[in-house]
Amino acid sequence: AQSVTQPDIHITVSEGASLELRCNYSYGATPYLFWYVQSPGQGLQLLLKYFSGDTLVQGIKGFEAEFKRSQSSFNLRKPSVHWSDAAEYFCAVGPRYGNKLVFGAGTILRVKS
Amino acid sequence: DAGITQSPRHKVTETGTPVTLRCHQTENHRYMYWYRQDPGHGLRLIHYSYGVKDTDKGEVSDGYSVSRSKTEDFLLTLESATSSQTSVYFCAISESAGTGYTFGSGTRLTVV
Repeated sequence: AQSVTQPDIHITVSEGASLELRCNYSYGATPYLFWYVQSPGQGLQLLLKYFSGDTLVQGIKGFEAEFKRSQSSFNLRKPSVHWSDAAEYFCAVGPRYGNKLVFGAGTILRVKS
Repeated sequence: DAGITQSPRHKVTETGTPVTLRCHQTENHRYMYWYRQDPGHGLRLIHYSYGVKDTDKGEVSDGYSVSRSKTEDFLLTLESATSSQTSVYFCAISESAGTGYTFGSGTRLTVV
């Protein structure tokens, strides 16, 4: 069965510093991969997605993620974090011929000024 | 997003009572999902639908039932609420496989 692991429950970074959130997945084939962001009291918003092709994908709000097949990873990055990026981030994996996504447990990002 | 709404946004109910949560979409998307969100567990799939009257179970379906009589509405029912069902419930929609989901704003349910 597919699974998603986000090893870091909480991460704190200084405003202006770079950010990397880790995501590892377990799946029998190359899946679809997603990152979502959730602000407090809100639903989840899609940041970016990987289907195929270029392994470095760009998303909204200046985020990018890199798919590494050999490491079964899909880490999210941002060169310079803003205070408004404080939120919870979820990695998700889905099958290419299905539609059910499996989510990781989430990483809470805190930004200190 | 305006294309998907959940109601109610908050509900407090007593143990043993039935509860129905509603998800309404205006996007005409085929797939609809109910997830629950709990700290440390992320989002877990309860039930999903791939068309009118076509539904299937997710990983945490015990104690829940769903119905979809119209494309735009997907109802989640707790037949007899228990304290373990206190959670935040999210509805999501998608157009096709691999397009990603659009989420509603959630329903915070407290069972006392």
